Amino acid sequence: ETGVTQTPRHLVMGMTNKKSLKCEQHLGHNAMYWYKQSAKKPLELMFVYSLEERVENNSVPSRFSPECPNSSHLFLHLHTLQPEDSALYLCASSQDRASYSGANVLTFGAGSRLTVL
Amino acid sequence: RKEVEQDPGPFNVPEGATVAFNCTYSNSASQSFFWYRQDCRKEPKLLMSVYSSGNEDGRFTAQLNRASQYISLLIRDSKLSDSATYLCVVRGYGQNFVFGPGTRLSVLP
Repeated sequence: ETGVTQTPRHLVMGMTNKKSLKCEQHLGHNAMYWYKQSAKKPLELMFVYSLEERVENNSVPSRFSPECPNSSHLFLHLHTLQPEDSALYLCASSQDRASYSGANVLTFGAGSRLTVL
Repeated sequence: RKEVEQDPGPFNVPEGATVAFNCTYSNSASQSFFWYRQDCRKEPKLLMSVYSSGNEDGRFTAQLNRASQYISLLIRDSKLSDSATYLCVVRGYGQNFVFGPGTRLSVLP
């Protein structure tokens, strides 16, 4: 258990469905992230939140909508997805976004594996 | 040029071998450096942070060369359980964590 919990672990949805991915961190961190990892591709940063404020949207299509109600919870709302959106979605947290200390590391959740039919 | 580049791999080595991975980064303002390990279909996990003077954790040794913008990871006495993809990660002050594409290692019996 890493201290970052993601649900659901697996999700299958049709292109017209609406679903949400949930992430919760118990580490007292101030920054939270969504990453996408497609098969045989590197990690792609999607969104960054610092103290519940979105500080980065990495040119992600609007069919992905993040929400950060507090510093411990992060959601990714999904609607009208495409088959190419099938991937592993990873949530991560770090102490903060500014410090470059070697102790300020990213801790990942186990991921939500999404299949869009 | 990509921000973080790694040896393409895959590396197939016998148990007990010593293997070294290289990583280069393009942003000279990068301040912190890490190696992560990712097992197949699992999340990345921190292997070790990389410090300016170099650091060692058991069979793993990491080195940083700021002048050449180069990071290395040395694994001695490879175990079957070391088989994974190794990700190089760098970040600057106030910047995001930037991941390399990873190098896959297979340790063979």
